[in-house]
Amino acid sequence: ETGVTQTPRHLVMGMTNKKSLKCEQHLGHNAMYWYKQSAKKPLELMFVYSLEERVENNSVPSRFSPECPNSSHLFLHLHTLQPEDSALYLCASSQERLAGYEQYFGPGTRLTVT
Amino acid sequence: GENVEQHPSTLSVQEGDSAVIKCTYSDSASNYFPWYKQELGKRPQLIIDIRSNVGEKKDQRIAVTLNKTAKHFSLHITETQPEDSAVYFCAASLSGSARQLTFGSGTQLTVLP
Repeated sequence: ETGVTQTPRHLVMGMTNKKSLKCEQHLGHNAMYWYKQSAKKPLELMFVYSLEERVENNSVPSRFSPECPNSSHLFLHLHTLQPEDSALYLCASSQERLAGYEQYFGPGTRLTVT
Repeated sequence: GENVEQHPSTLSVQEGDSAVIKCTYSDSASNYFPWYKQELGKRPQLIIDIRSNVGEKKDQRIAVTLNKTAKHFSLHITETQPEDSAVYFCAASLSGSARQLTFGSGTQLTVLP
């Protein structure tokens, strides 16, 4: 596998379920991100892990909980979600302190909350 | 914080014509402006970027212009082809670091054959 991978690609969960999204990057990057992509809205940055520092968007509800055990893996733990949380969740990675600044995105997890 | 506005939200052009997408940003400290393309059902991918010390950058049929005084930047696609059909996102970086990227709301470009 190369680039940024995400599993699962599709997830349907009830409002009382607990699930986790997984992201893995094979690019040797040192920063990873979670974005939420809803229809006709800008990409919303949810969380950033960079050099083991977490930068958090204060508007993210506590029902979303990130975990970054190492620089290659990123998780998003979900619990008691709401229907409005249905969206495409994109993971991305980049190399901090490199002039390119390019973020490499994964294919996303399409989440549906019923 | 930074605010990025993108126009138009949808754009249809005939194959072979040019397409222009415009973005404005609010914070004059922003110094990095990438453009991402997202084809239907696929991930966003960087297609071109520009830094504040440059006014224009070109890569084959794609060009980006930056006006720091007016705080706006534009994506220009010439000789459009059906495979250019996608959603295009502009973004601005407040501190020059990728982690600070603020995205525009996207433009759905449709190239009609």
